[in-house]
Amino acid sequence: DAGVTQSPTHLIKTRGQQVTLRCSPKSGHDTVSWYQQALGQGPQFIFQYYEEEERQRGNFPDRFSGHQFPNYSSELNVNALLLGDSALYLCASSFDRGWETQYFGPGTRLLVL
Amino acid sequence: ELKVEQNPLFLSMQEGKNYTIYCNYSTTSDRLYWYRQDPGKSLESLFVLLSNGAVKQEGRLMASLDTKARLSTLHITAAVHDLSATYFCAENSGYALNFGKGTSLLVTP
Repeated sequence: DAGVTQSPTHLIKTRGQQVTLRCSPKSGHDTVSWYQQALGQGPQFIFQYYEEEERQRGNFPDRFSGHQFPNYSSELNVNALLLGDSALYLCASSFDRGWETQYFGPGTRLLVL
Repeated sequence: ELKVEQNPLFLSMQEGKNYTIYCNYSTTSDRLYWYRQDPGKSLESLFVLLSNGAVKQEGRLMASLDTKARLSTLHITAAVHDLSATYFCAENSGYALNFGKGTSLLVTP
């Protein structure tokens, strides 16, 4: 049973560019959340997708957007990249049962130069 | 403002010793999560505590939850080197998880 997968594993971009990160949830999971983890910090919630809709959003600007597909996979898009967007981006999946544990993928490490 | 505070943030302990990591959270949530993160890796779920007084144990780790005090503890018994990692607690905020800054644990011989 495959866990949460993410691609790519590493990415280098320059300021002002746009990036798309991808996530496939654990088998059977229908909910996908995205988190940003800066070096030495805890993960920060970006947003969560369920039934192809964003249903909760953290304190991130509109430059951060996402999408969920009918097969529950998801994309995170970041426009107009800033140096401060350099971080580990984690995708987490879960069942839609409120209390369920969120299972995290290996992450995409983004470096903005 | 939602806040999850862990202490200590850094912990160096000898193998065989016991220690407790504390997690104070701000909401009235009755759920609390513990995760482990190894350097350069993702987060691994350790425990989900779902109600006041909940206690869960796995190997040398035991977690508990006191919702009245808004406090969770992660107790380490007879530490071994393999437990060296960063441990995060997180409260739920709607559908989101709100994480603490993490406790970096180093177990030395």
